[in-house]
Amino acid sequence: EADIYQTPRYLVIGTGKKITLECSQTMGHDKMYWYQQDPGMELHLIHYSYGVNSTEKGDLSSESTVSRIRTEHFPLTLESARPSHTSQYLCASRPGWTDNGYTFGSGTRLTVV
Amino acid sequence: AQSVTQLDSQVPVFEEAPVELRCNYSSSVSVYLFWYVQYPNQGLQLLLKYLSGSTLVESINGFEAEFNKSQTSFHLRKPSVHISDTAEYFCAVSGINNDMRFGAGTRLTVKP
Repeated sequence: EADIYQTPRYLVIGTGKKITLECSQTMGHDKMYWYQQDPGMELHLIHYSYGVNSTEKGDLSSESTVSRIRTEHFPLTLESARPSHTSQYLCASRPGWTDNGYTFGSGTRLTVV
Repeated sequence: AQSVTQLDSQVPVFEEAPVELRCNYSSSVSVYLFWYVQYPNQGLQLLLKYLSGSTLVESINGFEAEFNKSQTSFHLRKPSVHISDTAEYFCAVSGINNDMRFGAGTRLTVKP
């Protein structure tokens, strides 16, 4: 049973729309991450957070923004969606100590038309 | 900083045959190593991990991986695969104080 939840699972949206991808975890993990996944490519880190009110940009330049007002919630927002944003977005979390792997959500597959 | 190279993007194999998915990493510090599996339309699930101690680690579904420090490798193996093992497999590395870096993935396709 998943302890980290992403909604929606699938989203088709028109160019220029504002969208928010939701990610929530019930494990009390401090660290949370957003990855962008394209076929045949490595996972690209786009945002991460080490705790409430802490957010950082990842390696991959992204036009998205994130917030971390509560430990369990880490939403990702695109102010104006473009076809280049079409991808799968994966949310993950881990405890504060580093010898555990990540727990991943099921992902949101976004298509911008 | 760490990096991961998965040497094969696709590995087709027949059912009940052995398989090896190759992973090499680079790092200037001690690392933790992981293999994740991703089934279609799902997120990644942790398959196994190496933190310290025995260099051979096993998963509950018959996969094993061996940490080889001199060759900076962490190859994943299974002596006999099933159709249900068809999935994408990701190797990942994490330093003591760093977050995780993932490889590009290897698509394992098991054919009847």
